[in-house]
This record gives sequence, C-alpha cells and structure tokens, in this order.
Amino acid sequence: EAGVAQSPRYKIIEKRQSVAFWCNPISGHATLYWYQQILGQGPKLLIQFQNNGVVDDSQLPKDRFSAERLKGVDSTLKIQPAKLEDSAVYLCASSLARRNTEAFFGQGTRLTVV
Amino acid sequence: SQKIEQNSEALNIQEGKTATLTCNYTNYSPAYLQWYRQDPGRGPVFLLLIRENEKEKRKERLKVTFDTTLKQSLFHITASQPADSATYLCASEGQAGTALIFGKGTTLSVSS
Repeated sequence: EAGVAQSPRYKIIEKRQSVAFWCNPISGHATLYWYQQILGQGPKLLIQFQNNGVVDDSQLPKDRFSAERLKGVDSTLKIQPAKLEDSAVYLCASSLARRNTEAFFGQGTRLTVV
Repeated sequence: SQKIEQNSEALNIQEGKTATLTCNYTNYSPAYLQWYRQDPGRGPVFLLLIRENEKEKRKERLKVTFDTTLKQSLFHITASQPADSATYLCASEGQAGTALIFGKGTTLSVSS
C-alpha cells in the first residue's frame, strides 16, 4: 500500500516570505495530522483533522499558520509570513481512526528560513 | 499540564546486549502508549502499541511494558544490533483523547 506522500522534501525561504506544504494521506485514513519537529525534539502537533473537520488546532500559531483539508483527503499547510524559528521538519501523518491506532508518517518537509 | 518524558537523550550499548529505554508520563492517565522508531531524515515508524490493561507486549526482539502505578513504560530491544541504532520516540494520546503527543526521544547507538 502506498504511504503518506509529502512535498516538497526541502524548502529554503527568506523570513517574511510564505510557503506551502502538501500532504496526501493513505487512502481511507480519516484522520490527518500535521506535526512540527525541531532538531533534537519530538514531533509537536500543529493540527489534527477528522475527515475535513478540525479536531485540534490548539497549538497552531494561527496568526501565521493555516491548514486545510479539502474533501477530506489531501491537505495543505501554509506559513505566512515565515519567521526564523519556523525552521523545522514538518511531518504529515494519517491514521484509520482518531484513537487507539497507529499513525503513519510521511518523510517530512525540511524548511529552512534564512 | 500533561507531560510525556524520555529522560535519556542518548544510550550507547554494545551489540548483543539488551537496550532499555524509559518513558514517563505525568498529570494524566493515557489509555495506551505507542513506541516509534525514527531514522535521520525520515518520519517516525510505528513499532508497538500497549494498552493500559496490558502489562507487557512483545514483537520479535522488542518488548514493551506499561506500569500504571509508576506511570512508566519501558521499551526493550534484546540481542541488539548496529541496525537498531536510531531515535526511539514514546507517544500517547493526550487527555480527552486528543492527538498523539510525543516525548523528545532517546537516540540509541549500538556498536559492534
């Protein structure tokens, strides 16, 4: 079965620019997550979708980050404007259900803000 | 606030020995814990899930325990190999069934 697809793999932008990341989850997975992973730390949840509805976005910096999941399948995460501290790996994951089940992760997008 | 902690940032062991990694949680009682493996430049890969009513779970050379009294999970790799070298992440759902929260991870290095 195909895994979680993310693009791009790498992105370098200047501060104050905008950037968007794309994620295609495993077919049939209702739950989709975006995580931010700073070097040396564990993944930190940014937003969780159940189908096309938001379940948890309490840690999403909404003044600059936005995410959507149209039609309950693909998702995009946008940062506008980017700050230096946004440099991190952005991981997309999906799972069959919200609870009690494993999450499948994509390879991530490494963002460098200069 | 709820916390999940992996106190050891790094663990170095010799090939053939058993690696034991620790995960502690505070201020909440997760219904289950998960362990993931992460290699450099890759996303985490699921290894094992253990529920609160399970004391122990095994998969090949891996064993996980869940002690609700100590609020701790232990992750063991027996007969470790250099290929086991990676970062291992502990995760659980947050309170009220919110999404997975992760510890910082423990980087295991197995030398031959």
